[in-house]
Amino acid sequence: NAGVTQTPKFQVLKTGQSMTLQCAQDMNHEYMSWYRQDPGMGLRLIHYSVGAGITDQGEVPNGYNVSRSTTEDFPLRLLSAAPSQTSVYFCASSLIGSQETQYFGPGTRLLVL
Amino acid sequence: QKEVEQDPGPLSVPEGAIVSLNCTYSNSAFQYFMWYRQYSRKGPELLMYTYSSGNKEDGRFTAQVDKSSKYISLFIRDSQPSDSATYLCAMSARGSGGSNYKLTFGKGTLLTVNP
Repeated sequence: NAGVTQTPKFQVLKTGQSMTLQCAQDMNHEYMSWYRQDPGMGLRLIHYSVGAGITDQGEVPNGYNVSRSTTEDFPLRLLSAAPSQTSVYFCASSLIGSQETQYFGPGTRLLVL
Repeated sequence: QKEVEQDPGPLSVPEGAIVSLNCTYSNSAFQYFMWYRQYSRKGPELLMYTYSSGNKEDGRFTAQVDKSSKYISLFIRDSQPSDSATYLCAMSARGSGGSNYKLTFGKGTLLTVNP
């Protein structure tokens, strides 16, 4: 049982490049979400999903796309990276109705030059 | 006013001290109150959660919720150097629909316990 896994651990992008941050969980959790963590800003919700085929926006969705084709995977796509997207990104998951026990992945550190 | 306010610290205490960490909030709909611990360069991990008001104890950790004051606390007794981390409070509202699974986080308090 690996829990929540994220790849890559660290990435450097140039402005305008695109990339996909991967998130997977093996706990059969319906709810998955993406957060970004910035100094002095705390964790902010980007997008979330309550099941395969169902996604919705969080607090800071601009510049990010998501899709959920399977229960296990919830990738986050940056279509045209900007320096403002330099951050640490965390994926989290939980069972529906157990939002108090969300499990977080180890994070992806992204630097956009 | 932000929904959740948390003093970022930093907070530095000697080993064995009692630590008090606090958050205030403004959204009366919050019913779940969580404390996450985050070690440097790691993901947050759930430490404790409380539903509605009251106290909850787990070993050296006690979580308190006062909904009338919109104030939550985490107490750490006999603090250890291994408790050195950032502590994040988080809250969510009960109800139907995906939006009520969202967690609203405080900014976190950096705690250092000195040997």
